[in-house]
Amino acid sequence: AQSVTQLDSQVPVFEEAPVELRCNYSSSVSVYLFWYVQYPNQGLQLLLKYLSGSTLVKGINGFEAEFNKSQTSFHLRKPSVHISDTAEYFCAVTSARSNDYKLSFGAGTTVTVRA
Amino acid sequence: GAVVSQHPSRVICKSGTSVKIECRSLDFQATTMFWYRQFPKQSLMLMATSNEGSKATYEQGVEKDKFLINHASLTLSTLTVTSAHPEDSSFYICSAKRPGGPYEQYFGPGTRLTVT
Repeated sequence: AQSVTQLDSQVPVFEEAPVELRCNYSSSVSVYLFWYVQYPNQGLQLLLKYLSGSTLVKGINGFEAEFNKSQTSFHLRKPSVHISDTAEYFCAVTSARSNDYKLSFGAGTTVTVRA
Repeated sequence: GAVVSQHPSRVICKSGTSVKIECRSLDFQATTMFWYRQFPKQSLMLMATSNEGSKATYEQGVEKDKFLINHASLTLSTLTVTSAHPEDSSFYICSAKRPGGPYEQYFGPGTRLTVT
């Protein structure tokens, strides 16, 4: 089974400052990794995903993440945040070998961007 | 892009009644759909996997007789909360997997259920 730990429950940040959201995973097999964003009372929107290949993944809205197999991490970064980036962010993992496509989510990180 | 809709977006029902939530993939055929439950300020908990034309697979601890899932077509899955109780109040989110291609689940906007 796979699991995800998001190390920060809340991250306050000033507008135009950089932000990093930390995600560590646990799995005995190879994995696919995802970052989703959720705005209040809405569903989830995919920011980016790592399936294979380059360990640096670029996503939408200026976000990027780096897959580090040795440290079992998949941290999300943005060099300069906007007020509109205020949201809940979820890291998720699934086994690359399973056909059930089930996602395991982290507890989430609340990002609050202040002017 | 792939679009998944849910209906209704909000529903209030009385304790003891049943309520049905629909999840539709609007521009692709989804052989597999998922149902999640999310409590306030918490993460998503997978309730069940819904496969078109077969019985849903429920996660451990989820009552299959209480949360009835039907995946009658390639674009529609329904979740019926039977004999609802206030503790069933939650945010229910569905997702759909597009067959083939890079792996990705597309999420619906969610349904806020309040049981009074």
